[in-house]
Amino acid sequence: EAQVTQNPRYLITVTGKKLTVTCSQNMNHEYMSWYRQDPGLGLRQIYYSMNVEVTDKGDVPEGYKVSRKEKRNFPLILESPSPNQTSLYFCASSPTAGGAPDTQYFGPGTRLTVL
Amino acid sequence: GESVGLHLPTLSVQEGDNSIINCAYSNSASDYFIWYKQESGKGPQFIIDIRSNMDKRQGQRVTVLLNKTVKHLSLQIAATQPGDSAVYFCAENRSWFSGGYNKLIFGAGTRLAVHP
Repeated sequence: EAQVTQNPRYLITVTGKKLTVTCSQNMNHEYMSWYRQDPGLGLRQIYYSMNVEVTDKGDVPEGYKVSRKEKRNFPLILESPSPNQTSLYFCASSPTAGGAPDTQYFGPGTRLTVL
Repeated sequence: GESVGLHLPTLSVQEGDNSIINCAYSNSASDYFIWYKQESGKGPQFIIDIRSNMDKRQGQRVTVLLNKTVKHLSLQIAATQPGDSAVYFCAENRSWFSGGYNKLIFGAGTRLAVHP
């Protein structure tokens, strides 16, 4: 089954404690991205990756890092989480960066709470 | 369930009625527009899209209308069912602006509540 998986699905942590949210896709997609979703704001892009070893900032990259060492994985790293990073996070992938919109898949989301 | 819908406008409809969800977009140069459905505990799911050179597109039980004059997008769902209850997002794509990759700008979303 074609899917994007994220782990963990729920995480409660404390300010300053480094964490990683993993994202993996099994569709051999080149393009992957991370979004955060906050009440009343829709989804905002954090980082994206055109392909292995190619990453770039989205609209709200501050406080986040990513890496793309393998095609299937795109982890989101919070080196020193702060309460304003409490949010719902989604990973997404699509075959290419400019592909048709119906080819983009979203993961199930990770609910992060930073105390 | 997720809390992202707590602050959203809500559209309440009776099962079997037609639903119309509206969205205003900001950039007249966006090349296409997309509607997503997000059920509780899940990621957004593609419903339908429309290119900027069209004003109407129909899918199965759904129709999207695009009014470029007033920068307005709507999603019509015919014969709404309980399974349609979800948060609906519109998004505009600006691939020209980002150098060719899909750059999605999402709206805040509308919660659709279907009552039996």
